[in-house]
Amino acid sequence: GAVVSQHPSWVICKSGTSVKIECRSLDFQATTMFWYRQFPKQSLMLMATSNEGSKATYEQGVEKDKFLINHASLTLSTLTVTSAHPEDSSFYICSARDLHRPGQYTNEQFFGPGTRLTVL
Amino acid sequence: AQTVTQSQPEMSVQEAETVTLSCTYDTSESDYYLFWYKQPPSRQMILVIRQEAYKQQNATENRFSVNFQKAAKSFSLKISDSQLGDAAMYFCAYWSSGNTPLVFGKGTRLSVIA
Repeated sequence: GAVVSQHPSWVICKSGTSVKIECRSLDFQATTMFWYRQFPKQSLMLMATSNEGSKATYEQGVEKDKFLINHASLTLSTLTVTSAHPEDSSFYICSARDLHRPGQYTNEQFFGPGTRLTVL
Repeated sequence: AQTVTQSQPEMSVQEAETVTLSCTYDTSESDYYLFWYKQPPSRQMILVIRQEAYKQQNATENRFSVNFQKAAKSFSLKISDSQLGDAAMYFCAYWSSGNTPLVFGKGTRLSVIA
């Protein structure tokens, strides 16, 4: 159990266009979802934290008007990169946690497989 | 703020040998959790092992074990009988409670030599 999916797994877009990445918890309710960005050979950089039905909390330096996050349901969060530019090219990873789930899963963050974004 | 430090950017180990990856952290909390994640070339994050701070016994998962020294704020990962499939980036992570996210170290790239 505790599977997180992301779609698409990779996407190529033209500069100036917007791209939406979906993150779904397949077999549990994600009370909290996290979005990370990862550059090659580097660690995961937290972009924002979102709770279902609430506005996302962005980390310092992350433009909330550029990286729109919506957590409309307990199983779906979306990240929209608006007016994408080549410097937005990166690997984006979502992660989810179910704080109400008892036992071992309460303290675990489950990760999606990531989305590789390339902006031309 | 909590921080996690991995001081070894790269490590290598001979197949079948043992290797230890280091991790230190800083926190003022008394109750928290520590994790080691593996990220293979596929880039899927895989939980290797977890340790609850209130437990004195070191966690073990098959060939993977930790040396948790709470007073020293140290949390090292030992991989025994290393296999080619262990080659990956390894991230040490910290979590305290609630909606706070994992805090990651910068990672250690492990190579396994046949």
